[in-house]
Order: sequence, then structure tokens, then C-alpha cells
Amino acid sequence: DTGVSQDPRHKITKRGQNVTFRCDPISEHNRLYWYRQTLGQGPEFLTYFQNEAQLEKSRLLSDRFSAERPKGSFSTLEIQRTEQGDSAMYLCASSPGLAGGRADTQYFGPGTRLTVL
Amino acid sequence: AQTVTQSQPEMSVQEAETVTLSCTYDTSESDYYLFWYKQPPSRQMILVIRQEAYKQQNATENRFSVNFQKAAKSFSLKISDSQLGDAAMYFCASKSNFGNEKLTFGTGTRLTIIP
Repeated sequence: DTGVSQDPRHKITKRGQNVTFRCDPISEHNRLYWYRQTLGQGPEFLTYFQNEAQLEKSRLLSDRFSAERPKGSFSTLEIQRTEQGDSAMYLCASSPGLAGGRADTQYFGPGTRLTVL
Repeated sequence: AQTVTQSQPEMSVQEAETVTLSCTYDTSESDYYLFWYKQPPSRQMILVIRQEAYKQQNATENRFSVNFQKAAKSFSLKISDSQLGDAAMYFCASKSNFGNEKLTFGTGTRLTIIP
């Protein structure tokens, strides 16, 4: 059973460019989450999916951010017109959800570190 | 809304000794979960231990145990027989059991193990 994977692990971009990150959850996990972690802080919730449905979005998720999970498997997080304040670690997590097991436990990926110059 | 507070930015402990990391939380929910996650340097976050709020018995996972004081809204983590591999950032987190799926994290405690 492989864990949550994220790609790329590091991304450096110039202000104003668009970036897209990918997350592959643990197989058969129904729920997928995105968090953002800035230096010295704990992760902050951005959004979550139950299968392909995006059920909750944080106010942190501005109009420049969009997330998708088109087939209920992998997910993408896109940031348009990046700003220096977007520099952070973007973490993805998944949980079994209604599929059973410890539905409430979220398993994290290694993260994508974004640097906006 | 839930809030989680970790008042110890840094802690250190001698190898093989015991250390306790503090966490307090605030919630209006009657049913919720509490977690401790470990984030080693440049590595991904992993679950250390979890506690269901409705259970009075404190959770234990090998060398890791919690002291859950529901009335005081306190959830501390005790690490026994500390090992070099325990060095990491430790985050306390809470989650409601009623529809709100997000984890709310504290700001973390950096644990250093002294050989």
C-alpha cells in the first residue's frame, strides 16, 4: 500500500505565473484534502473532496486558487497569477472516509514546496 | 470554530528520558478527535497518536501516550525512552466529528533529542 504522493516536490516560479500541483491519494481513499503550511506554522486547511465532489473550501482559497478531483482519484491544485505570499509548502492528505477503517485519520503526502520569486 | 494552542515552541530531552509536550484546545463540539502528528526535518507528516473525545481512556502507542483532560481541554503527549529518531516538529490537531472534515493544527513544538 503506497502512501500519498505529490508532484512536483519543489517548484520555483516567477510572480504572475501559473502553477499546478498534483496529488495521488492512497488507493481507495475517498477523501482528499489540501493544506498550506508556511514556515514556523502548522498546516492550514484549504479544501477537501469526497470522491470527485469538492465539499468544503476555506476562505484562504482565493479566486486565484482552484482545485479539482475529476475522477475521484488524483487531485490538482492550481494557483493563477502567483504572488510572493503564495510561497509555502502545499500538503495533500487522504483518508478512508466512508470506505471504513479509521475514517477520521488523515495521511499526509511529502508536500510541494512553492517559492515565488 | 476550533482552536489549538501549543505554548512550547521548542523542547529538548536527553536520549532515553521522558518528555511531555503540551497542547490545549477549544471547541464547541461535543464529539471530536484529537491527534498528534510528527514532522521530521524535510520529511512528511506522520500520525503519532489519536484520541476520540468520547473515550475516557488515554490512548497509547508504544512509547507514546497522551494525557487527555476533557474538562480542562488539555491533550498532552508523553514520549518515553526518547530516541534520536524522535527529533521532529510535533503538531497537535483537532477535528470535529460532525461534518467539518478539516484538521485544525497548533503552531507546533520542535523537539530536540540530546545524545
